[in-house]
Amino acid sequence: EAGVAQSPRYKIIEKRQSVAFWCNPISGHATLYWYQQILGQGPKLLIQFQNNGVVDDSQLPKDRFSAERLKGVDSTLKIQPAKLEDSAVYLCASSLAGGPIYEQYFGPGTRLTVT
Amino acid sequence: AQSVAQPEDQVNVAEGNPLTVKCTYSVSGNPYLFWYVQYPNRGLQFLLKYITGDNLVKGSYGFEAEFNKSQTSFHLKKPSALVSDSALYFCAVSPNTDKLIFGTGTRLQVFP
Repeated sequence: EAGVAQSPRYKIIEKRQSVAFWCNPISGHATLYWYQQILGQGPKLLIQFQNNGVVDDSQLPKDRFSAERLKGVDSTLKIQPAKLEDSAVYLCASSLAGGPIYEQYFGPGTRLTVT
Repeated sequence: AQSVAQPEDQVNVAEGNPLTVKCTYSVSGNPYLFWYVQYPNRGLQFLLKYITGDNLVKGSYGFEAEFNKSQTSFHLKKPSALVSDSALYFCAVSPNTDKLIFGTGTRLQVFP
């Protein structure tokens, strides 16, 4: 089965510019997650979707970050405007359903560098 | 506060020797515990999880982990390390929700 797809794989932007990341989860997976992984740290959950509804966005910096999953499949994460501290790898993951008994499958990530 | 600690930034082991990567957690209630591995330029891959039952959990690639409730630990182990096991290992806990809280990671280096 195809894994979680993400694009682009790498992105370099200047601060105050905007950027968008795309994620296509595994077919049939209802739950989608976006994580931020700063160098030297573990991934941190930004937002979780169940189908096209938001389950948890408590750690999403909503003044600059936004995410959507309009048709309950693909998802887009946007940053506008970007700051230097947003430099990180952005990981998308999906699972069959919500809940810890369901394994999360991760994509390869998008490495963002903000200069 | 709920958290995961991986006290070692790096673990070095000779090929063929047993390896242990340590993880301790702090969470209220019954935890769900996970180990993930990250190879360079690739996403995290699931290794194993503890939900309930037997304290010794077996996972992918010959890895296993032991849940110790009294010590709040979930150490990752393998009887005989391979050079190909060299990677970044993350312990994670789910405090009875969907959310995964990750540790900072431990880099495992296996020398031939």
